Amino acid sequence: QVRLVQSGTEVKKPGASVKISCKASGYAFTRHWMHWVRQVPGQGFEWMGVINPSGETTSYAQKFQGRVAMTWDTSTNTDYMQLSSLTSEDTAVYYCARDNSMVREGISGWWFDPWGQGTLVTVSS
Amino acid sequence: SSELTQDPAVSVALGQTVRITCQGDILRTYYSSWYQQRPGQAPVLVLYAENNRPSGIPDRFSGSRSGNTASLTITGAQAEDEADYYCNSRGITGFSWVFGGGTKLTVL
Repeated sequence: QVRLVQSGTEVKKPGASVKISCKASGYAFTRHWMHWVRQVPGQGFEWMGVINPSGETTSYAQKFQGRVAMTWDTSTNTDYMQLSSLTSEDTAVYYCARDNSMVREGISGWWFDPWGQGTLVTVSS
Repeated sequence: SSELTQDPAVSVALGQTVRITCQGDILRTYYSSWYQQRPGQAPVLVLYAENNRPSGIPDRFSGSRSGNTASLTITGAQAEDEADYYCNSRGITGFSWVFGGGTKLTVL
């Protein structure tokens, strides 16, 4: 069974950093990219970035450039997302989600499946 | 402005058919995927590559595309389908992805 299990709830002060883990099981870890997505309470999803565990490729949303870092540990099949210089606006649930892709009739498509259970990060003084 | 636009809320009578749409120019180039999120839960994939259902998703869920608009249709909506639905696709700029703003589906 393919599964992503994330680390637990975090409470941070403004200006601090947070590092969330996402442990994968049930599939070949290095064969799938991993996305990170966040959801501010009561709002929609915001894509943060993606990492390729089989190489050193990452791509971050422009909004988070310079403040986010995604890494991986292939020995433990675990991805990490670190977000620094936290403000109250970073209070959100953070999800990891496995990338999947296909090409049909010359058109490409990607989808996120499965998702981790989410990690609530609260930033408060 | 969001690259993918969804209606904020839609309602449907129990057992009737409802269509949830997602509009964006990027959908002329890439397939969409759709996610269901019930309150307090992580999202679940319900459709991928426009009209493919993952295992375990009921066949009352179907997808289609016309021009720059992707649609999720629920034929015979059930009470358990009441949730937020989000579309997703590759972004316009670089190596990125985007979500629609989400549609809250109410089953009456």
